[in-house]
Amino acid sequence: GAVVSQHPSRVICKSGTSVKIECRSLDFQATTMFWYRQFPKQSLMLMATSNEGSKATYEQGVEKDKFLINHASLTLSTLTVTSAHPEDSSFYICSALRASDSYEQYFGPGTRLTVT
Amino acid sequence: GQNIDQPTEMTATEGAIVQINCTYQTSGFNGLFWYQQHAGEAPTFLSYNVLDGLEEKGRFSSFLSRSKGYSYLLLKELQMKDSASYLCAVNSGAGSYQLTFGKGTKLSVIP
Repeated sequence: GAVVSQHPSRVICKSGTSVKIECRSLDFQATTMFWYRQFPKQSLMLMATSNEGSKATYEQGVEKDKFLINHASLTLSTLTVTSAHPEDSSFYICSALRASDSYEQYFGPGTRLTVT
Repeated sequence: GQNIDQPTEMTATEGAIVQINCTYQTSGFNGLFWYQQHAGEAPTFLSYNVLDGLEEKGRFSSFLSRSKGYSYLLLKELQMKDSASYLCAVNSGAGSYQLTFGKGTKLSVIP
């Protein structure tokens, strides 16, 4: 199967600091990666779509200067939450679209961010 | 806008059958997915429908009617481990890939 990892799985940071979350496709090349945010008892909300080597496409209402996305290779995308605030505390999940079958997203295990 | 509706919660008995419905109104349609999500974990893929009809995979089946904007997920021979949230998601991108998720149905399986 296709495996996607995320690091870290949990992170606690102080308000005003920045946090970087990595998303890796371990055994396949991902043409596209997605970043979602999920608040308690809510569904997944797409934040942005990133294609390797190009700028990410952000969903309406998501600040691109606050949530920096870098998709440097076909196996790695990073999300940096800059100047984090307590309201950014959430479950962040990445997913990857495998080049060979373009209909199924493979999800990472998620990163629980807590901003104090 | 995109709208995907599914019941918030359902309860069923171990060994029984349960059907989780999903209705959608989206600007485009390129397939419908069902995912299972346990609390605090990422979603796992269950099924994909792009044409009308029933797709069966073991204890899980999924049905799609594009004309009605309707799908259901059928779980047979329920087990306690099936207690989870079930997310309906539609790929509404036209020429691109964009999943819109419903809020999920929390299924509780009781003895």
